[in-house]
Amino acid sequence: KAGVTQTPRYLIKTRGQQVTLSCSPISGHRSVSWYQQTPGQGLQFLFEYFSETQRNKGNFPGRFSGRQFSNSRSEMNVSTLELGDSALYLCASSFLKETQYFGPGTRLLVL
Amino acid sequence: EDKVVQSPLSLVVHEGDTVTLNCSYEVTNFRSLLWYKQEKKAPTFLFMLTSSGIEKKSGRLSSILDKKELFSILNITATQTGDSAVYLCAVETTDSWGKLQFGAGTQVVVTP
Repeated sequence: KAGVTQTPRYLIKTRGQQVTLSCSPISGHRSVSWYQQTPGQGLQFLFEYFSETQRNKGNFPGRFSGRQFSNSRSEMNVSTLELGDSALYLCASSFLKETQYFGPGTRLLVL
Repeated sequence: EDKVVQSPLSLVVHEGDTVTLNCSYEVTNFRSLLWYKQEKKAPTFLFMLTSSGIEKKSGRLSSILDKKELFSILNITATQTGDSAVYLCAVETTDSWGKLQFGAGTQVVVTP
């Protein structure tokens, strides 16, 4: 089975812009979780989607949003980018309540 | 507030040494504890532990959970340079869909 894929792998944006990141889960996995990883804060949970519904959300401002499509692919959007949004954004997929498997991540740099 | 604490934060060992990594947690409604290895980008799954006292093994790696004392240990025997990575511990609860709470990780460097 193919693993979790994320696009793009690298992204450079300027402050104030918005960005959309994409995640394709492992075939058959319907749950997709998103995380932000920074050197200072480590891995922090953003939100989780299952069957196109957001079931859980972490402590991030409303500038961070996401959605999931009927084929389980998910996108996350960050509006009005700030310098502090520079991070590695990871998504993970799982089958029901089983182990989460991570994608390679999208490295976002905000200038 | 839920906490996941890993120790040590970093260590350097020689090839062939044995490494023991610790993860303690304080969460409500514990469901499982997971270990991941992160080398460059994606954390790769190592173990999921749900029951106390049952050791899980995969080659030179093993892990055990103590639900009474709220901690887990990850052991790596006969270390190799390819074991150099950040090892992450994460906890999942029964009341939080799809959310893993991660510790800060332990940076392991294995020197030849």
